[in-house]
Amino acid sequence: QKEVEQDPGPLSVPEGAIVSLNCTYSNSAFQYFMWYRQYSRKGPELLMYTYSSGNKEDGRFTAQVDKSSKYISLFIRDSQPSDSATYLCASPTDSWGKLQFGAGTQVVVTP
Amino acid sequence: EAQVTQNPRYLITVTGKKLTVTCSQNMNHEYMSWYRQDPGLGLRQIYYSMNVEVTDKGDVPEGYKVSRKEKRNFPLILESPSPNQTSLYFCASSPTTSNHEQFFGPGTRLTVL
Repeated sequence: QKEVEQDPGPLSVPEGAIVSLNCTYSNSAFQYFMWYRQYSRKGPELLMYTYSSGNKEDGRFTAQVDKSSKYISLFIRDSQPSDSATYLCASPTDSWGKLQFGAGTQVVVTP
Repeated sequence: EAQVTQNPRYLITVTGKKLTVTCSQNMNHEYMSWYRQDPGLGLRQIYYSMNVEVTDKGDVPEGYKVSRKEKRNFPLILESPSPNQTSLYFCASSPTTSNHEQFFGPGTRLTVL
């Protein structure tokens, strides 16, 4: 069983809508959470990270962590066609940088 | 330009023919890692290296070897490739082992017939 679970999608939304992405994790020792964005035929790139419960905002992106329910979310406001990509959540399993990734959710924003 | 490079980008080979996928970073990063990405399974770590001459297994190391003789290079070796190693492979690097932001290469698509 994967330690980080994510709905693979695809998730299709119209331009301007709010995109809501979710992951669940099973290991309560996870302290640090990241969202990577992966465009087609490219390597993943770090989008956001958060260390503790609560919200973190960066422009149109908001990352949310609920440690009590082991649930992490990413919200994209005013979505654009350029946001069409696969979004992967991740958490390091220990301090050595060994990351556990979710399977990724494909997002399609239609003009 | 700061980057992680991989070669080759695409490779089709046959079962049992040894191959090496190279990975190089020009950012003086200590930490490097290899992942494979398969549909529905996401990214899974194969091996990682915390510094020169220090490597360790990830979640799916079977059938793979690595070496880290220089800081910038971290090649992935498949001694006897099999069809179940057909996958998209990514190399990644990070400034230190405690810095969780990893910079990924462009990927190598490997097909083993």
